[in-house]
Amino acid sequence: AQSVTQLDSHVSVSEGTPVLLRCNYSSSYSPSLFWYVQHPNKGLQLLLKYTSAATLVKGINGFEAEFKKSETSFHLTKPSAHMSDAAEYFCVVSAYSNYQLIWGAGTKLIIKP
Amino acid sequence: GAGVSQTPSNKVTEKGKYVELRCDPISGHTALYWYRQSLGQGPEFLIYFQGTGAADDSGLPNDRFFAVRPEGSVSTLKIQRTERGDSAVYLCASSPRTGGGEQFFGPGTRLTVL
Repeated sequence: AQSVTQLDSHVSVSEGTPVLLRCNYSSSYSPSLFWYVQHPNKGLQLLLKYTSAATLVKGINGFEAEFKKSETSFHLTKPSAHMSDAAEYFCVVSAYSNYQLIWGAGTKLIIKP
Repeated sequence: GAGVSQTPSNKVTEKGKYVELRCDPISGHTALYWYRQSLGQGPEFLIYFQGTGAADDSGLPNDRFFAVRPEGSVSTLKIQRTERGDSAVYLCASSPRTGGGEQFFGPGTRLTVL
């Protein structure tokens, strides 16, 4: 069975400082992993995805994530936070069936001016 | 190009009433998904269509929930005898194929059952 744990429900950082959103997964098979972002009153948007190619994945808006099999982690990072990054971020693993997405509970990113 | 659209954006209804929520996927996408998102939680899978058929409806919570996609494009999620616990944001997504790829999400329908 697949599962996802986002270790922080809220993360608060100052503008211009690094961002780290933590995600651990459990999967019986080689997983596909995703990060989605949800801005207030907007639809979910894909930030990046890992599908067994390079372990360091670059996404949109300067975000990247590293797949670490030994740690079963897929943490999301950004070197310098911007006010527009304030949103809810979801870590997602695809099930063995490959169509069903298993979602974490989300991490709310707060950016302080 | 047009993304996934959902109507209505907001729906307020009374306990016991019937509601229909509509999803218009991206043109040409064969796969369509419905999710439900409660406050403070990630989306929860409800049902997946490949073409006109429901390939997996294991996420539907009970037999009050039903979804159709008669022509393989637009889909309607139907909820009978609504309950207050059905209040949530209902999300629709589509993808050009199944298997490991990105799902494109609509803005959702916020359902409130009074």
